[in-house]
Amino acid sequence: DAGVTQSPTHLIKTRGQQVTLRCSPKSGHDTVSWYQQALGQGPQFIFQYYEEEERQRGNFPDRFSGHQFPNYSSELNVNALLLGDSALYLCASSLYGTGGLQPQHFGDGTRLSIL
Amino acid sequence: AQRVTQPEKLLSVFKGAPVELKCNYSYSGSPELFWYVQYSRQRLQLLLRHISRESIKGFTADLNKGETSFHLKKPFAQEEDSAMYYCALDGGGFKTIFGAGTRLFVKA
Repeated sequence: DAGVTQSPTHLIKTRGQQVTLRCSPKSGHDTVSWYQQALGQGPQFIFQYYEEEERQRGNFPDRFSGHQFPNYSSELNVNALLLGDSALYLCASSLYGTGGLQPQHFGDGTRLSIL
Repeated sequence: AQRVTQPEKLLSVFKGAPVELKCNYSYSGSPELFWYVQYSRQRLQLLLRHISRESIKGFTADLNKGETSFHLKKPFAQEEDSAMYYCALDGGGFKTIFGAGTRLFVKA
């Protein structure tokens, strides 16, 4: 099992463009969360998807949107890119359980650079 | 506001010395807390969670609700413990809040 896989590894865009990042969860996991990690900071929660719906959202503008597919994979879309969107974007998957948030497994991330 | 604070960006200790990585949190309720670790050229991974009360790789962490702390401790540091450590809080619902991280460097 390759665990959580993310694509692409690196991406360079210019201001105003749109970008789509992709994530495949670990086998057996049904929940996907997305994080933004700026240089020198910890990951910041963007949103979480479960059963193809956004279940919770952090303090990110509507320019950030997502989707989850029936096979549990997920996409993160960012519109009207700003210089400040340059960061490492992490995807994490987990298995939804009754005991609260289950441990998350992280991917290697997508490094997004905005010029 | 829900917040996780790791006051030290960098902690340097000698091999065999005790190590304590500090974590303070702000949360109104019963928190669920985690420590994640990222070794060089590896992905972020769960080290331990307070609810399981396990000791992983010799690390332990005790939740102190009075001081709102969840410090990570190990009695004898090893060189392979050198990594980036993140304290994280289950912020209610399904959201995880991370601290800024502490880089631990264990010197030979």
